[in-house]
Amino acid sequence: GAVVSQHPSRVICKSGTSVKIECRSLDFQATTMFWYRQFPKQSLMLMATSNEGSKATYEQGVEKDKFLINHASLTLSTLTVTSAHPEDSSFYICSAPLRSGTSGGVPKPTYEQYFGPGTRLTVT
Amino acid sequence: GNSVTQMEGPVTLSEEAFLTINCTYTATGYPSLFWYVQYPGEGLQLLLKATKADDKGSNKGFEATYRKETTSFHLEKGSVQVSDSAVYFCALTLGGSYIPTFGRGTSLIVHP
Repeated sequence: GAVVSQHPSRVICKSGTSVKIECRSLDFQATTMFWYRQFPKQSLMLMATSNEGSKATYEQGVEKDKFLINHASLTLSTLTVTSAHPEDSSFYICSAPLRSGTSGGVPKPTYEQYFGPGTRLTVT
Repeated sequence: GNSVTQMEGPVTLSEEAFLTINCTYTATGYPSLFWYVQYPGEGLQLLLKATKADDKGSNKGFEATYRKETTSFHLEKGSVQVSDSAVYFCALTLGGSYIPTFGRGTSLIVHP
């Protein structure tokens, strides 16, 4: 099956520094990737859609200057948390969609999400 | 807009109990429906899916049936195990879109 990796899995940084998180699709190409932030009590918040070769699309309320996204190639997207603060501490997850083909023999484009294992960011 | 509503958790069960996690949706077209599972400390992974009405998705003993008339996709398992303890997310995508809409997730805790 399709695999998405994330690096690092855990990072601790000091307030005011920047942290880069990498998301890679290992065995398929992903022109689009998604970045999520997961809060306590498990809810997932979509932060932005990363697009290869163009600017990321940010969800309302997400600061684009703080959460820099770069989709450098068809297999790599990076999220940089700039000037991190303790309130940025969270679990960050990326995903990449992969198309699956048919429904009962009839072509119906359906996209499954393949998720990275997540990055636990702690800002002290 | 599109939305997915899941039952509030946590759901706490004893091993071998029957599981139902409710999921209902609203969508402007005919969505594909998914259940994803997140084990502690990990990312999400696809558990099962259904792409049209009356389809049943199944995997690892879990099942869910796409019910268009009730706009539901409830997750069931006949006999849960401790290893099923995780957070379960219901999700949909519409048409050819790759952008998913997720529910808030339901935590399942299974005791020995």
